[in-house]
Amino acid sequence: QSVLTQPPSASGTPGQRVTISCSGSSSNIGSNTVNWYQQLPGTAPKLLIYSNNERPSGVPDRFSGSKSGTSASLAISGLQSEDEADYYCAAWDDSLNGQVFGTGTKVTVL
Amino acid sequence: EVQLVESGGGLVKPGGSLRLSCAASGFTFINAWMTWVRQAPGKGLEWVGRIKTKTEGGTTDYAAPVKGRFTISRDDSKNTLYLQMNSLKTEDTAVYYCTTGYYWGQGTLVTVSS
Repeated sequence: QSVLTQPPSASGTPGQRVTISCSGSSSNIGSNTVNWYQQLPGTAPKLLIYSNNERPSGVPDRFSGSKSGTSASLAISGLQSEDEADYYCAAWDDSLNGQVFGTGTKVTVL
Repeated sequence: EVQLVESGGGLVKPGGSLRLSCAASGFTFINAWMTWVRQAPGKGLEWVGRIKTKTEGGTTDYAAPVKGRFTISRDDSKNTLYLQMNSLKTEDTAVYYCTTGYYWGQGTLVTVSS
């Protein structure tokens, strides 16, 4: 069950900036860090952002993350065609004693 | 190069059992917390459970839908993670990924159907 809420879709033209929100609660985002994953069609997820706003080596700086209170956001600036994918936020939930994922957002490049 | 290679998936009848394996290489497996995540066809990601390092007690945590039916274990001598799945239900049909959180395997498909 997904307890983190994301918009089902987002879109933009090449070069535009797209932002994806992730809404949670005090037991997850409010008290733990947020990761973001990118899943290209037919492939395994890939870690995109960890600890709210850190990028793993090799992830372009076009991707950035932020967190405020019980919500988090992923921004993609300078949108490119290869950014078409599903994006998921995730955080540990202290009440459930488990990790929870967001509902997922499909990004389309128009 | 880090590699996580899952195996053991397949078709199983409801009520049956299956054991998945995840062979790890390219990093210090003994020091890694390991996690299983699944994805039902056309659906989002779902956390299944995790196991801590032996040094930290090898403690396991499970998601509510699988608790009592699934067991995660590890063999550090073989750099291998396991997921024992019992009393399988049709809703357990999914691609199962093993992950360190940073690195992910390619997944193995489990289909529960009569």
